Amino acid sequence: AQSVAQPEDQVNVAEGNPLTVKCTYSVSGNPYLFWYVQYPNRGLQFLLKYITGDNLVKGSYGFEAEFNKSQTSFHLKKPSALVSDSALYFCAVRDLAAGNKLTFGGGTRVLVKP
Amino acid sequence: NAGVTQTPKFQVLKTGQSMTLQCAQDMNHEYMSWYRQDPGMGLRLIHYSVGAGITDQGEVPNGYNVSRSTTEDFPLRLLSAAPSQTSVYFCASRLGQQGSYEQYFGPGTRLTVT
Repeated sequence: AQSVAQPEDQVNVAEGNPLTVKCTYSVSGNPYLFWYVQYPNRGLQFLLKYITGDNLVKGSYGFEAEFNKSQTSFHLKKPSALVSDSALYFCAVRDLAAGNKLTFGGGTRVLVKP
Repeated sequence: NAGVTQTPKFQVLKTGQSMTLQCAQDMNHEYMSWYRQDPGMGLRLIHYSVGAGITDQGEVPNGYNVSRSTTEDFPLRLLSAAPSQTSVYFCASRLGQQGSYEQYFGPGTRLTVT
């Protein structure tokens, strides 16, 4: 069965500092990996995805993520965090071998302090 | 495009009552799904549909029914509400079954069952 782990419930970072949100996954086949962001009282918004090709994926709002097959990780990064990046972030994986179902991690709350 | 819309935004039910959560999308997406979001548990798939007339169960289907009579609409029915169904419900859609497509989420319905 496929699974996703986000080991940190919350990440605190000062504005202007680098931001990293961790995600590891477990699948039986080749993964499709996604990051979504949820602002308060809103639905989830797509940030970026890894399908194939370059391990470094660039997405919306200056975010990027690095796919590491040997460590089964897909960490989300931003070089310089903004207060407006404060939100709930979800990693998700889709395994074609598991019927195309999208499995979400538990979410990581990011708090960027001015 | 309005994207994915959900009604109502908030609902309070008494135990045993039934209701329907509405979901519509105007992007001509084949694939639609319903998730529930509970603290620390990410999003869990309730039901999904790969096209009009076709529905299937997700990981937490008990107590919920769905139908897909048109491409645009995918209502979720609570047959006899229970306090355990207190949650935030999100409808989502994507272009097709291909695993690389990202999902688009509605704004959510916050349901409280007393």
